[in-house]
Amino acid sequence: DTGVSQNPRHKITKRGQNVTFRCDPISEHNRLYWYRQTLGQGPEFLTYFQNEAQLEKSRLLSDRFSAERPKGSFSTLEIQRTEQGDSAMYLCASSVTGIAEAFFGQGTRLTVV
Amino acid sequence: KNEVEQSPQNLTAQEGEFITINCSYSVGISALHWLQQHPGGGIVSLFMLSSGKKKHGRLIATINIQEKHSSLHITASHPRDSAVYICAVSRGANSKLTFGKGITLSVRP
Repeated sequence: DTGVSQNPRHKITKRGQNVTFRCDPISEHNRLYWYRQTLGQGPEFLTYFQNEAQLEKSRLLSDRFSAERPKGSFSTLEIQRTEQGDSAMYLCASSVTGIAEAFFGQGTRLTVV
Repeated sequence: KNEVEQSPQNLTAQEGEFITINCSYSVGISALHWLQQHPGGGIVSLFMLSSGKKKHGRLIATINIQEKHSSLHITASHPRDSAVYICAVSRGANSKLTFGKGITLSVRP
């Protein structure tokens, strides 16, 4: 399978715990995006990378959120001290510079209890 | 006002009906995207267009740049078309997407 892969698919965690999600983009894609989608809403942009550089972060990305793409391949999104409001679907997408079409992973559904 | 608005909010149709979903946007764009999301979360790109019209199977997407409006048409609808249809726009060089809320389509047999 050469599509965008996200792990885990589902995560249930207690409030206050830290969680980390992983995204493996399509191998030749140099751009990687993270989005968050809450119930009944469209996805909202969180951050994006071009290769290993994090080029833009949304104001939605509070201090508790950090994203990395250390070697310009896979990316991780960590949420520290989770809150119930963090419950959402976290979507990863990848694309190639100059081509607007993005390919999405299946998402990681986070539930904070 | 959201940058991307979709209508109607929810839609129920009978199998075989012709369906139209609308999208309006308020900003300059480089491309407009129609996406499909099934229960479970995965998003699939249906169309990316910056002008005119595109057709793929029973799906047709049109865009009017002057009016900042796009439509997605489904001909001969089928229950397997039941999904959330999301309109999104990309602007500028970084290609991040700004999404509408999506429309939940239910096609009854």
